[in-house]
Amino acid sequence: AQSVTQLDSQVPVFEEAPVELRCNYSSSVSVYLFWYVQYPNQGLQLLLKYLSGSTLVKGINGFEAEFNKSQTSFHLRKPSVHISDTAEYFCAVSDPRGTYKYIFGTGTRLKVLA
Amino acid sequence: DVKVTQSSRYLVKRTGEKVFLECVQDMDHENMFWYRQDPGLGLRLIYFSYDVKMKEKGDIPEGYSVSREKKERFSLILESASTNQTSMYLCASSPGDRRTDTQYFGPGTRLTVL
Repeated sequence: AQSVTQLDSQVPVFEEAPVELRCNYSSSVSVYLFWYVQYPNQGLQLLLKYLSGSTLVKGINGFEAEFNKSQTSFHLRKPSVHISDTAEYFCAVSDPRGTYKYIFGTGTRLKVLA
Repeated sequence: DVKVTQSSRYLVKRTGEKVFLECVQDMDHENMFWYRQDPGLGLRLIYFSYDVKMKEKGDIPEGYSVSREKKERFSLILESASTNQTSMYLCASSPGDRRTDTQYFGPGTRLTVL
């Protein structure tokens, strides 16, 4: 069975600084990987996803993530954050052969400080 | 743009009441999902539906049931609400392949059971 670990529950960072939000997954098979963002008082929306091909995936709002199969990681990065990036970020996996549903991580709350 | 709407943003109910949470999507999506979101636990899947009148249990179906009589509408039912069902409930939909497709989320319903 798959599982997803987001090691950091909260990440404070100053505006214009770079940020990395970590995601590790556990699976005996290949997986599809996703990052979603939840702004305050809103539902989740997709930032980016990895299905196959290039391991560096670019998403919306300047975010990117790198799939690392050997380290079973899919860390999210942004070179320079803005106040408006303050939100909760969720990593998720789905099993290409399995029950066709996502497994979400517990989320990382990014707080961008002025 | 895909729109997923949920009937209420905030709901307060008493223990033992029957509670209906409604979700409507306007993009003819095949799949619909109900999640529960709790701090430190992330999103957990309650039920999902891949077609009208078809449903499958997710990870935490106990105490809940669902109904999908029309393609655009997916209802979550708490037969007898309990205080441990106080939570944020998120509805989502996706077009076809549940493994790879983006899920589109509603804004959520924050349910308090007294």
